[in-house]
Amino acid sequence: DAKTTQPPSMDCAEGRAANLPCNHSTISGNEYVYWYRQIHSQGPQYIIHGLKNNETNEMASLIITEDRKSSTLILPHATLRDTAVYYCIVRSQTSGSRLTFGEGTQLTVNP
Amino acid sequence: NAGVTQTPKFQVLKTGQSMTLQCAQDMNHEYMSWYRQDPGMGLRLIHYSVGAGITDQGEVPNGYNVSRSTTEDFPLRLLSAAPSQTSVYFCASRPLSGGFYNEQFFGPGTRLTVL
Repeated sequence: DAKTTQPPSMDCAEGRAANLPCNHSTISGNEYVYWYRQIHSQGPQYIIHGLKNNETNEMASLIITEDRKSSTLILPHATLRDTAVYYCIVRSQTSGSRLTFGEGTQLTVNP
Repeated sequence: NAGVTQTPKFQVLKTGQSMTLQCAQDMNHEYMSWYRQDPGMGLRLIHYSVGAGITDQGEVPNGYNVSRSTTEDFPLRLLSAAPSQTSVYFCASRPLSGGFYNEQFFGPGTRLTVL
């Protein structure tokens, strides 16, 4: 699976958009980009995933660059409850159901 | 649905003791897995199962045993606990049907301390 690089921490004001970047320059054509988050002391929670098109669901939007070497998770109106560690994960069908979590980004939403 | 449940929430063991961490899901998911989470190391896969009677090793299987006798339950056994196994343990499940990209559902975790 391709390695991902994320900033260790970010801050965001409540009500503003939170844009979390992820670099995955070695991603291959059959690898998907996933985002999970982990609120303190809880289990990880799935947010969104995509291959090459931008994706949106009720939680967030995922923007993947045309060359697929990086992506951005967007929380459009961050709330205090969005304070968590956000993990960007790249995986393919050959990795089966394995999820390799790295260090992630600690997002702190400030009032 | 209760989702993925784990017991106990907290456990303290002495070196050499054995115990079983319980995991159950009521979503009829074929795939279940165990992860451990240590500070600064993200989550690491211990063991996983794609159905009853089928288990396989993940990244860090040493010191842990698993079995899958039913679809619902996937217990993790520590035969002889060591301080290096102090960690937070998460169980996860997902359906196999519908493709490999299905999201995984995680339990609330078990915090284990080995003295």
